[in-house]
Amino acid sequence: GAVVSQHPSRVICKSGTSVKIECRSLDFQATTMFWYRQFPKQSLMLMATSNEGSKATYEQGVEKDKFLINHASLTLSTLTVTSAHPEDSSFYICSARRTDYSPYEQYFGPGTRLTVT
Amino acid sequence: AQKITQTQPGMFVQEKEAVTLDCTYDTSDPSYGLFWYKQPSSGEMIFLIYQGSYDQQNATEGRYSLNFQKARKSANLVISASQLGDSAMYFCAMRHDFGNEKLTFGTGTRLTIIP
Repeated sequence: GAVVSQHPSRVICKSGTSVKIECRSLDFQATTMFWYRQFPKQSLMLMATSNEGSKATYEQGVEKDKFLINHASLTLSTLTVTSAHPEDSSFYICSARRTDYSPYEQYFGPGTRLTVT
Repeated sequence: AQKITQTQPGMFVQEKEAVTLDCTYDTSDPSYGLFWYKQPSSGEMIFLIYQGSYDQQNATEGRYSLNFQKARKSANLVISASQLGDSAMYFCAMRHDFGNEKLTFGTGTRLTIIP
């Protein structure tokens, strides 16, 4: 159990367009989801924490108007990269936290590779 | 501020040998959790092992064990009898048990198993 999916797995878009990435918990409810960004050969950097039914909390330096996060249900969070630029090209990974407490509470999605041309 | 340090950017190990990946951390929180994740070239983050700050015994999960030395603030991952499929990036991470419980990751170690 505890499967998290992401869609799409890869996306290529033109500069200036917007891209939406979905993160779903398939077999559990997640009150909290996290969005990470990973540049090549680097570590994961937390972008924001998404709580169901409330506004996301963004990490310092992350533009909330550029990276729109919506956590509309207990199984779905979306990240929209608005007016994408080539420097937004990266690997985006989400994780979901179970509502029932467990030490292994964050389960990661397979990631979405975004390329902006 | 919380910080995770992985000092080995890359390691090469002969197949079937044991390998230790280093991880040190810094936190002022009394309660925290330590994780190791494996990231193969496909990109997915695979959970390997967890150690709570109050756990008395070192965590073990199959071929993985965590050498937790609280006083030294270290949480090294030991992989026994390494296999070719162990070749991947390995990340140490710390969960803050207060606030939103977010994870802070180290910079990772790229492990290559040599046949």
